[in-house]
Amino acid sequence: QSALTQPPSASGSPGQSVAISCTGTSSDVGGYNYVSWYQQHPGKAPKLIIYDVTKRPSGVPDRFSGSKSGNTASLTVSGLQPEDDADYYCSSYAGSHIFVFGSGTKVTVL
Amino acid sequence: QVQLVESGGGVVQPGRSLRLSCAASGFTFRTYGMHWVRQAPGKGLEWVALIWNDGSNINYSDSVKGRFTISRDNSKNTLYLQMNSLRAEDTAVYYCVAVISFYFEYWGQGTLVTVSS
Repeated sequence: QSALTQPPSASGSPGQSVAISCTGTSSDVGGYNYVSWYQQHPGKAPKLIIYDVTKRPSGVPDRFSGSKSGNTASLTVSGLQPEDDADYYCSSYAGSHIFVFGSGTKVTVL
Repeated sequence: QVQLVESGGGVVQPGRSLRLSCAASGFTFRTYGMHWVRQAPGKGLEWVALIWNDGSNINYSDSVKGRFTISRDNSKNTLYLQMNSLRAEDTAVYYCVAVISFYFEYWGQGTLVTVSS
């Protein structure tokens, strides 16, 4: 049950795009289309922003998009807004009723 | 609206026990799987345990297996986490989370557990 690997940080200016990777193995990210992404502001609970690799819950802006290739999933935030300054975590189902989270990425809007 | 309210956190000595509760409202609790996810201070999220909607399946992360017990009472719309043999590394904010599929849909605000002598 090792954590999925994310870059510690990413940044961009308002209006730019930033992409965050989430690397696992064939037993988790690569084995299931059950990757999800969460946004967390300081002192707040995480919020679901992408599920089943590419789907957005109602109310989440279409600036957020997800994809997957092999054992690596990605979250892209297009047209960065100041409110996108937050921590982002990926998660994947890993089979046998086990879930795993990524190590987290701090996105800074410059 | 959906509400998940955790309680029971606090300061506890190493080796002692603590029971967390999570009161659910605003959705059909008995149809959702429920999980506990924790976050150590300044660290990332860690999945802890799950229980299916009817309690028929339960699982734990390796880090808590044998020490923690997840349970639920669908008649009271409440989720529990019994934590025994607590260690310093169990210090974290514990979130209760509702899951309908393979993603963490609804989150509580969390309760802080501090294990310290």
